[in-house]
Amino acid sequence: NAGVTQTPKFQVLKTGQSMTLQCAQDMNHEYMSWYRQDPGMGLRLIHYSVGAGITDQGEVPNGYNVSRSTTEDFPLRLLSAAPSQTSVYFCASSYRGTGSVNGYTFGSGTRLTVV
Amino acid sequence: QKEVEQDPGPLSVPEGAIVSLNCTYSNSAFQYFMWYRQYSRKGPELLMYTYSSGNKEDGRFTAQVDKSSKYISLFIRDSQPSDSATYLCAMSNYGGSQGNLIFGKGTKLSVKP
Repeated sequence: NAGVTQTPKFQVLKTGQSMTLQCAQDMNHEYMSWYRQDPGMGLRLIHYSVGAGITDQGEVPNGYNVSRSTTEDFPLRLLSAAPSQTSVYFCASSYRGTGSVNGYTFGSGTRLTVV
Repeated sequence: QKEVEQDPGPLSVPEGAIVSLNCTYSNSAFQYFMWYRQYSRKGPELLMYTYSSGNKEDGRFTAQVDKSSKYISLFIRDSQPSDSATYLCAMSNYGGSQGNLIFGKGTKLSVKP
């Protein structure tokens, strides 16, 4: 059982480049989300999805796009990388059964540096 | 005022000490409260969760929720060097099909042998 898999683990981009951070889960979780974690800022929600074909914005969506074509995959696209997007990115997933309390399962993160 | 406030520390204690970690929040609609542990260069992992007010115990860990004061705590008894990590509180309006988790900034704990 792999859980939540994020690739790549590390990435260096030049300003203006685009790239896609991959996230895949094998737990049949309906809910998936992307967070960024910066020193002193905690975890901030970028985008989330409650099921295939459904996405919505979180707290800090600017400069990022997402899509959810399958239950398993939730890629995060950086359209034109900026130094302010240097961060550690975490993907998380969760079962969303009605009335249940569910924690998130996090991936191991992608460390992105934009120069 | 941020929805969730958490003292970032760092907090340093000797092995065997009782550790108290706390968060305050402003949204009275929060009903689901969680604590995550994050080791260095790893993703957060769920440690404890509670619904509404009250206590929950799991081994050396106890989570408390006081909704009247909008205050949650995590206690670690007989702390071990392996407990050295960042602890994040998280909370939500809903446990089911709605609601995203709102995280505190995390408290960095170091337990010295």
